[in-house]
Amino acid sequence: GAVVSQHPSWVICKSGTSVKIECRSLDFQATTMFWYRQFPKQSLMLMATSNEGSKATYEQGVEKDKFLINHASLTLSTLTVTSAHPEDSSFYICSAIAGTSVFFGPGTRLTVL
Amino acid sequence: QKEVEQNSGPLSVPEGAIASLNCTYSDRGSQSFFWYRQYSGKSPELIMFIYSNGDKEDGRFTAQLNKASQYVSLLIRDSQPSDSATYLCAVWGNTGKLIFGQGTTLQVKP
Repeated sequence: GAVVSQHPSWVICKSGTSVKIECRSLDFQATTMFWYRQFPKQSLMLMATSNEGSKATYEQGVEKDKFLINHASLTLSTLTVTSAHPEDSSFYICSAIAGTSVFFGPGTRLTVL
Repeated sequence: QKEVEQNSGPLSVPEGAIASLNCTYSDRGSQSFFWYRQYSGKSPELIMFIYSNGDKEDGRFTAQLNKASQYVSLLIRDSQPSDSATYLCAVWGNTGKLIFGQGTTLQVKP
């Protein structure tokens, strides 16, 4: 299947700082990427749809000013968690459409102290 | 009603048995249906997808889709302990988004 990478795989930061997470499609171009968040023992919750060259579409209840998404190229989307707080600690996973399937990156575990 | 529903389980089967995982969805306009496997602490891994009514087989896995009943299932034959994981059903609908069920935990006992 298609390969999606994420960086970093884990990050620990202090409350109030900002964290940037990168999502790359390695062997294909992705016009659309998706960002999910997953809390322990819960399912994936879609945060936003990232579209190359245009503004991201956020799901209801997701603060667009807190979770900044930039899809600057056909192979890269970034999610920046601004002024992170302990309640933002979670597993952030991106995905991208390749052909008729959707493939996921390995995820980024964010811990905010 | 949730958009995609799964029994959270756990579903426990003995090694070598057939595991049957079920999923229902609410959007009749849904077009594609996916099964992912997720191990604890890892991201989802695509097992297979289906978009036509009927069965689709891939190795030990068979996906079944019944659009009239808004039902999709995954059968795992000859279940192995390594199949123990959470299985996520996901549905691609007219909204252009992939919506997940809450997942079913499968335990395969040696």
